[in-house]
Amino acid sequence: QKEVEQDPGPLSVPEGAIVSLNCTYSNSAFQYFMWYRQYSRKGPELLMYTYSSGNKEDGRFTAQVDKSSKYISLFIRDSQPSDSATYLCAKSTPNKLVFGAGTILRVKS
Amino acid sequence: GAVVSQHPSWVICKSGTSVKIECRSLDFQATTMFWYRQFPKQSLMLMATSNEGSKATYEQGVEKDKFLINHASLTLSTLTVTSAHPEDSSFYICSAAPGFPGNEQFFGPGTRLTVL
Repeated sequence: QKEVEQDPGPLSVPEGAIVSLNCTYSNSAFQYFMWYRQYSRKGPELLMYTYSSGNKEDGRFTAQVDKSSKYISLFIRDSQPSDSATYLCAKSTPNKLVFGAGTILRVKS
Repeated sequence: GAVVSQHPSWVICKSGTSVKIECRSLDFQATTMFWYRQFPKQSLMLMATSNEGSKATYEQGVEKDKFLINHASLTLSTLTVTSAHPEDSSFYICSAAPGFPGNEQFFGPGTRLTVL
């Protein structure tokens, strides 16, 4: 079993939709989680990081961690074509990040 | 803040030559820098972790003599691909971590290496 599981998609939604991106994780000894956005042929950009359970909001983005079910989510409200990218979830360990496979998101205008 | 630069952004070289890629944290000191490799439509594959002034720690299966990493200062790390071959062609991305609070990493824009 991989430490971080993420459905690679692609996920295709119409402009303005609410997008839900999800990951599950194991080995929860060190509980910082991150979401990165990666455009084609670019380096990943840190969107949000969270610690412990609960929600964290930043503009149209909300990151959610449910430690009881070992589930992390990223919600994007009012999605835009410019949100089309690959979204990577990551779990922090003391020495490195463990990434999910990345979900390809396509927002159609 | 938290800007990481990478140079060059792309490079084409002949088989057998060596290529050096630089990674710099521009506005923070990075206790740790990481080097990743990414194949098309795949996730990031960690190659090695480096701390300033010490030897890099390589992931299993990564040849340390092939991929030389030098972490000369808290803002600069270099990756040298020695005796490059076509199978080394890939997208190489570095990241830098300030070390607090959650070990988040900030990524460079990547370097596309093509070996002919």
